[in-house]
Amino acid sequence: QVQLQESGPGLVKPSQTPSLTCTVSGGSINSADFYWSWIRQAPGKGLEWIGSIYYSGNTYYNPSLKSRVNISIDTSKNQFSLTLSSVNAADTAVYYCARVQGVSYFRPWGQGTLVTVSS
Amino acid sequence: EIVLTQSPDTLSLSPGETATLSCRASQSFSSSNLAWYQQKPGQAPRLLFYGSTSRAAGIPDRFSGSGSGTDFTLTISRLEPEDFAVYYCQQYGGSPLYTFGQGTKLEIK
Repeated sequence: QVQLQESGPGLVKPSQTPSLTCTVSGGSINSADFYWSWIRQAPGKGLEWIGSIYYSGNTYYNPSLKSRVNISIDTSKNQFSLTLSSVNAADTAVYYCARVQGVSYFRPWGQGTLVTVSS
Repeated sequence: EIVLTQSPDTLSLSPGETATLSCRASQSFSSSNLAWYQQKPGQAPRLLFYGSTSRAAGIPDRFSGSGSGTDFTLTISRLEPEDFAVYYCQQYGGSPLYTFGQGTKLEIK
């Protein structure tokens, strides 16, 4: 069965542009059936969808983050990535990657990776 | 923007009781486009329902989903100790493409 695993820098300084990667195993990312998504959760807070990408490279972003977000896909490595520019303390969160069938629900999810923005 | 508001924020119940969790939308959308998740501390969310009423694989039938339009409900009967967690509703296909409710914490009384 498909599994997702996030990796990221852990601690970043304000104004930096961190990148996170989601590695997909047990299935191909190069599938017309699925979108691949990033969702984040600030400490003690709820869930916020960041954006999604299709195997072709088509992307959809949350308007609230669109100006700072870029999601890319590398089908040769079975990975997709998130870059978030000009981070500040409000971007401190656990970042999850997840698969979406068409435009629907998120399943499965990765275990999440904590990104802390602090000087 | 479709805003989902869950109530109550916290629900305190005892094992064996029935939990009723509400998710209200700022505008009507198809019941086919609503999902529910359970999240336990330190874990990723787990899909419970999609299409409002379709139970995900492995979810006990003590869990049920219902609703339409702007009002959706997750009901958990005969609460077990492992059911105490935070629950989120999520819509898909609106604007933004995906939004979540703020969550309801189900805690042991």
